[in-house]
Amino acid sequence: DAGVIQSPRHEVTEMGQEVTLRCKPISGHNSLFWYRQTMMRGLELLIYFNNNVPIDDSGMPEDRFSAKMPNASFSTLKIQPSEPRDSAVYFCASSDRRRGARPLVSGANVLTFGAGSRLTVL
Amino acid sequence: GIQVEQSPPDLILQEGANSTLRCNFSDSVNNLQWFHQNPWGQLINLFYIPSGTKQNGRLSATTVATERYSLLYISSSQTTDSGVYFCAVVTNAGKSTFGDGTTLTVKP
Repeated sequence: DAGVIQSPRHEVTEMGQEVTLRCKPISGHNSLFWYRQTMMRGLELLIYFNNNVPIDDSGMPEDRFSAKMPNASFSTLKIQPSEPRDSAVYFCASSDRRRGARPLVSGANVLTFGAGSRLTVL
Repeated sequence: GIQVEQSPPDLILQEGANSTLRCNFSDSVNNLQWFHQNPWGQLINLFYIPSGTKQNGRLSATTVATERYSLLYISSSQTTDSGVYFCAVVTNAGKSTFGDGTTLTVKP
């Protein structure tokens, strides 16, 4: 497997523009997570999905942010309109979440991260 | 929500030295992982260790779930060990939370 694939790797845009970040999780994984990393706030969980359903979006900063997972192999994080304070590295991660699984044997419940998308809003 | 505290926040070592990084968490967890973020920003999984002890080369980790802490040991440190080490926990509800990380600098 190619791992978690994120695109674009880098994006520079002007304030007010729409930004769409994309993530392809590892095939077979049923949980997907979006994180944001900044110097000031560290790694923050924005939203996570289980079986394509958003479970907790309490980390989404405001209505300008939205995330979708239309199918098991694709998710988007959209910012509209973007602002300079949205500049950060956005990470996507996936896992094979199984209740009661023995991860040391099966590899279940292990978070695997993509390479991140570095967003700069001017 | 669950709190995750890592210590120390910064650590400077001479090459060859050993170190211990600590992660405390405030509630019971389903998963715990240690990650290394390298200078290129990649988050690399080091250990998945909700309980017990694991070793991988010069690195080892121990989690005492009943006392809600985990330790990461780095022996004979090398300059390539430099970077930020994160502890991440996942609750039974599936939500993950990261600590603020320990920034390790290994000097030649």
